Amino acid sequence: AQSVTQLDSHVSVSEGTPVLLRCNYSSSYSPSLFWYVQHPNKGLQLLLKYTSAATLVKGINGFEAEFKKSETSFHLTKPSAHMSDAAEYFCVVRPFGNEKLTFGTGTRLTIIP
Amino acid sequence: DSGVTQTPKHLITATGQRVTLRCSPRSGDLSVYWYQQSLDQGLQFLIQYYNGEERAKGNILERFSAQQFPDLHSELNLSSLELGDSALYFCASSTRDSNTEAFFGQGTRLTVV
Repeated sequence: AQSVTQLDSHVSVSEGTPVLLRCNYSSSYSPSLFWYVQHPNKGLQLLLKYTSAATLVKGINGFEAEFKKSETSFHLTKPSAHMSDAAEYFCVVRPFGNEKLTFGTGTRLTIIP
Repeated sequence: DSGVTQTPKHLITATGQRVTLRCSPRSGDLSVYWYQQSLDQGLQFLIQYYNGEERAKGNILERFSAQQFPDLHSELNLSSLELGDSALYFCASSTRDSNTEAFFGQGTRLTVV
């Protein structure tokens, strides 16, 4: 069985400072991992994905994430926060050979001007 | 545009009524997922279909049912509606390849009054 834990339900950072959203996962098989972003009253948009290629994955809008198998983590980072980054972020795991998607509970990112 | 179409975008109905939400997946995607998102429960997985067959069931109430038709579109039926069913309902589609992400529709906002 797989599971995803997003360690912070809410993160606040000042504009121009780094962003770190934490995600830990468990999966029986080599997983694919995804980060989605949801802006208010919008659908979910893929930010980036890890699929067993490079462990450092670059996504849209300057976000990146690093897959660390030893720590079972897939934390999302951005060097400098922008006001438009304010949104809800979801970490998702999908085991190899499995259609099932498992979502984390989400992290709400607030950007302080 | 994710390629996943959900109709209607908004729905207002009274308690005790029945509604049907429709989802057209991306061309070629055989898997369809339904999610409910409410303020107090977050993003909840309801049910998944693959090529017309039910694949996985999540926190779906007995008053709710779904199906996927031969043309791969899916419908989520909600009956005996209660105020607590007010939420955003998302549909997502994907291929069977676990390296690919799911693509989300814009959601149907259901308000039960």
